[in-house]
Amino acid sequence: GAVVSQHPSWVICKSGTSVKIECRSLDFQATTMFWYRQFPKQSLMLMATSNEGSKATYEQGVEKDKFLINHASLTLSTLTVTSAHPEDSSFYICSVPGLADTGELFFGEGSRLTVL
Amino acid sequence: KQEVTQIPAALSVPEGENLVLNCSFTDSAIYNLQWFRQDPGKGLTSLLLIQSSQREQTSGRLNASLDKSSGRSTLYIAASQPGDSATYLCAVFYSSASKIIFGSGTRLSIRP
Repeated sequence: GAVVSQHPSWVICKSGTSVKIECRSLDFQATTMFWYRQFPKQSLMLMATSNEGSKATYEQGVEKDKFLINHASLTLSTLTVTSAHPEDSSFYICSVPGLADTGELFFGEGSRLTVL
Repeated sequence: KQEVTQIPAALSVPEGENLVLNCSFTDSAIYNLQWFRQDPGKGLTSLLLIQSSQREQTSGRLNASLDKSSGRSTLYIAASQPGDSATYLCAVFYSSASKIIFGSGTRLSIRP
C-alpha cells in the first residue's frame, strides 16, 4: 500500500498565526488527497479533497479561506490553517487513495495542532 | 442520510479472549468497507478492506465480515493480546457520492 508521511507531527502556535501541514505520498502518485480533522474521542470528519493542479473541494461548513489547501505536485499536498484560533486545535490527518478499483485509503500519521 | 455506527463505544476484555466489534450502516449501496486501527495520537492503519461483492476478509487473527442486506459488518479478533489495544474504526465508501463515512470507533482495551 501507499506510504503517507505528514509533517509536522505536532505543532503549538499562538492565536492569530498561520500553520502549514504537509502531506506527502512517498511511493505513490496521488492526484487526489483527503484532509480530515479529528477532535478528541470523535471520529474523522472530512474537511476537503485536494486535487492536483486544481482547486480543492471543501465539505459543507469548512471555510476555504481559513483552511488553505495546495496540491502542487503528485506527491505533496499542504493544509494551511490561517489566523489560527484555539477552537482550531485538533488532530489533522491526510489520506491517499490506493488503486482506483479498490477504493482503499492509506493514512498519514496525523498532525496535532494546539493553538494557545 | 448515510450514517455509520459502531457498537460498543468501548470494550475491555482479558487477554486471550475472542471478541467481536460491530459496524452498521444505513445505506446498503456501498462500494467497500474498510476497518482501521488507530493508536492514541497516531494516524490510521488499514486492517482489512472488503469490497461490496465480498462477504469476508481475513488477515492473521482478524476476520471481517460484510452483510450488505442487513447493513452490518463485524470485525472478529481471535486470541486477543494487550498489543491489540487501540481504537478500531470502520469506514464505508459510497461510490455514488464519492464519499467515505467513518464510524465513531470502538476503544478496545485488552487486560494482561
